[in-house]
Amino acid sequence: EIVLTQSPGTLSMSPGERVTLSCRASEIVSSNYLAWYQQKPGQAPRLLIYGGSNRATGIPGRFSGSESGTDFTLTISRLEPEDFAVYYCQQYHNSRRTFGQGTKVEIK
Amino acid sequence: QLQLQESGPGLVKPSETLSLTCNVSGGSISTNSYYWGWIRQPPGKGLEWIGSIYYSGSTYYNPSLKSRVTISVDTSKNQFSLHLSSVTAADTAVYYCARDQTAYEFWSGYYSWGQGTLVTVSS
Repeated sequence: EIVLTQSPGTLSMSPGERVTLSCRASEIVSSNYLAWYQQKPGQAPRLLIYGGSNRATGIPGRFSGSESGTDFTLTISRLEPEDFAVYYCQQYHNSRRTFGQGTKVEIK
Repeated sequence: QLQLQESGPGLVKPSETLSLTCNVSGGSISTNSYYWGWIRQPPGKGLEWIGSIYYSGSTYYNPSLKSRVTISVDTSKNQFSLHLSSVTAADTAVYYCARDQTAYEFWSGYYSWGQGTLVTVSS
């Protein structure tokens, strides 16, 4: 089973700053099979990125995804007030899906 | 626009079976390449994938839950269901149903979600 490890657990940031979130896989994962989600309190997760770097419908351009081997990165180029939330990565392999444990982006 | 809605008891006793249904509207559950999944989230914790089903009935489960989980599909009712047996307090969570899509070298991620339903395991 592939394990996804997200870091850091919590990020304290200010609006306007650039944010980089990490997701490391325990073995090679094709970027085709890596997604990122945003979740706000009391809401279902929202798909941000699929295929490692493709923005889902309606997702602003400040969100971007990239990959380097077993390391995946979600970048928010300039934090907006509505971006403070928890972010999860997820992978698909052999018909099974696993989530990372999440990174919380909080207001400094 | 596709919508998913979970339904089922909000309270289940320990050792009993948790049963939830996800009703799909605005589209057919029998659409090729669509997979229907269950995900849960204990209070204050992260997301856990439970399992997925294809309209043909093929199922895929989280190995850590496989011995207790059954997911089934009823194409005539356009819905799919989750049964989790021998529940304990650790199974208390918000349970979500969701849809993703796969194809050759492609996976969409879960782009459609239900609103979630809280299930509490308590006597």
